Amino acid sequence: KAGVTQTPRYLIKTRGQQVTLSCSPISGHRSVSWYQQTPGQGLQFLFEYFSETQRNKGNFPGRFSGRQFSNSRSEMNVSTLELGDSALYLCASNSGTSGLQETQYFGPGTRLLVL
Amino acid sequence: GQNIDQPTEMTATEGAIVQINCTYQTSGFNGLFWYQQHAGEAPTFLSYNVLDGLEEKGRFSSFLSRSKGYSYLLLKELQMKDSASYLCAVRDRGNTGKLIFGQGTTLQVKP
Repeated sequence: KAGVTQTPRYLIKTRGQQVTLSCSPISGHRSVSWYQQTPGQGLQFLFEYFSETQRNKGNFPGRFSGRQFSNSRSEMNVSTLELGDSALYLCASNSGTSGLQETQYFGPGTRLLVL
Repeated sequence: GQNIDQPTEMTATEGAIVQINCTYQTSGFNGLFWYQQHAGEAPTFLSYNVLDGLEEKGRFSSFLSRSKGYSYLLLKELQMKDSASYLCAVRDRGNTGKLIFGQGTTLQVKP
């Protein structure tokens, strides 16, 4: 099985712009979660999508949004970029069931630099 | 509130054994994960505990005590390539896709 893929891998934007990041989960996985990782705050949960619906949301401003398509691919969007949005954005997938043995697997991440 | 604590840094010698501790206080609990993350790379899954006790997987073992809100990751026969950050994460109850992470422990293995 192919792993979690994310595109693009690197991105440079300027303040005020918007950005869209893409994630394709492991085949058969229906849940996609997004995280932001910065040196100061560590890994922080952004949101989770399951069957095209946002199932859970972290404590990020409304500038951060996402969606999921019928093939389980997900995108996240950040509007009106700020310098503090520079981070590694990680996508993770799991099957989305409530099984106790559920494991979450991460993609390689998109490194965003806001200038 | 949600709080997960790990030591910030640890140093150990090649061939030795190291134990990385994690304590947590979360509003819900549905399992505890350990991930390894090398600099500039994504986290890779190491272990998962949902019941009390020790889970062994090769050179890596993970322990969980739910009553104490405590876990540890044990690395045996340390190798230089084990130098990395180790992340402890708790899965929120009823939310399979939401993990709450600690700040991570940076382990440096010296020859």
